[in-house]
Amino acid sequence: DTEVTQTPKHLVMGMTNKKSLKCEQHMGHRAMYWYKQKAKKPPELMFVYSYEKLSINESVPSRFSPECPNSSLLNLHLHALQPEDSALYLCASSQGGQGTNEQFFGPGTRLTVL
Amino acid sequence: GNSVTQMEGPVTLSEEAFLTINCTYTATGYPSLFWYVQYPGEGLQLLLKATKADDKGSNKGFEATYRKETTSFHLEKGSVQVSDSAVYFCALTVYNFNKFYFGSGTKLNVKP
Repeated sequence: DTEVTQTPKHLVMGMTNKKSLKCEQHMGHRAMYWYKQKAKKPPELMFVYSYEKLSINESVPSRFSPECPNSSLLNLHLHALQPEDSALYLCASSQGGQGTNEQFFGPGTRLTVL
Repeated sequence: GNSVTQMEGPVTLSEEAFLTINCTYTATGYPSLFWYVQYPGEGLQLLLKATKADDKGSNKGFEATYRKETTSFHLEKGSVQVSDSAVYFCALTVYNFNKFYFGSGTKLNVKP
């Protein structure tokens, strides 16, 4: 299984809602990532988990809250978002640890904040 | 620091034309280099990679050679198809770090 899955595929939420994005991989990877991608732009790194510990937070606003319940799962909890947070949210995973490891991406969640 | 510079797009070609998308980089440490492709409405897919100088990555007719002397990793394909229309991202990571650095992306349009 070389797939990263993400749910939901699409999400529309109001600024006062609380929602969560989910990401799962079964490749035995120990590093997982959240990216935000705006139209016609490259992915922007938000968070990195390495061995289930948060290792990189790219100064993301606290209305985005990541969680890594186990080595296969990654969540992104959303609360009080702004319309400018509308974007494609991508999850990725890699082997982690020593060496340089390619990242495998999920199909993304298209988020619209009204 | 670490960064990737890609040629501006969009690139528009006719089917069966030769493709080159330029990518140059700056890196501290020993970079590995990647090309990713993103089709409309999808996530990024790894197209090819090279982990040391003079390595050539290849996949689906695409090739790129890691040139340390020119700090480049240009993507080439001898004969493009309409189905190759997508956005292509060049990326690097430095040994033992989990962070990827992406170029700005180059949109390729292939016309029949």
